[in-house]
Amino acid sequence: EIVLTQSPATLSLSPGERATLSCRASQSVSNYLAWYQQKPGQAPRLLIYDASNRATGVPARFSGSGSGTDFALTISSLEPEDFAVYYCQQRSSWPLTFGQGTKVEIK
Amino acid sequence: QLQLQESGPGLVKPSETLSLTCTVSGGSIISSTHYWGWIRQPPGKGLEYIGSMYFYGTTYYNPSLKSRVTISVDTSKNQFSLKLNSVTASDTAVYYCARQFKDWFDSWGQGTLVTVSS
Repeated sequence: EIVLTQSPATLSLSPGERATLSCRASQSVSNYLAWYQQKPGQAPRLLIYDASNRATGVPARFSGSGSGTDFALTISSLEPEDFAVYYCQQRSSWPLTFGQGTKVEIK
Repeated sequence: QLQLQESGPGLVKPSETLSLTCTVSGGSIISSTHYWGWIRQPPGKGLEYIGSMYFYGTTYYNPSLKSRVTISVDTSKNQFSLKLNSVTASDTAVYYCARQFKDWFDSWGQGTLVTVSS
């Protein structure tokens, strides 16, 4: 099973700042990595798939990068609605696995 | 617009079977390009993949749960279901159903909390 390790666990930032979240895989997943956003009481929402492709309706301030074992999700300028928990997920091998999440909180 | 809705008991006794149904509306479960999956999230914790199925019956289960899980489909009702037997308190979680496209979960139900307690 591929383990995904996200860092940091919590990111404290102010609106307008740039956020960079990391996801590291225990073995190469090529570019088969996605990012999800989850707000309290809501289901996760797909943001990025195949490492760098934005899902339908996702604002351009969200971008994904990386390949192999190291990936990043960047939010170029945080909006108030971006404060949430973010998860990465790999589909390189079964079972599908998720990272433990990074919480982006208001500083 | 595609919508998924989980339904089932919110309370299950230890050692019994958890049964949930996901009703799909705004689209057909009979799709050559999508799988249909279940994911769970214990309170305050992260996401765990449970398993998936294709409309004609092919299933994939997380090995950590495989011995206890069954996912099935009812195409006549546009529904798919989850059964998890021999539950314990560690199975307490919000259970989500979702549509899979290339193994990405691109549409989710709102989730339903299932508590395992006597």
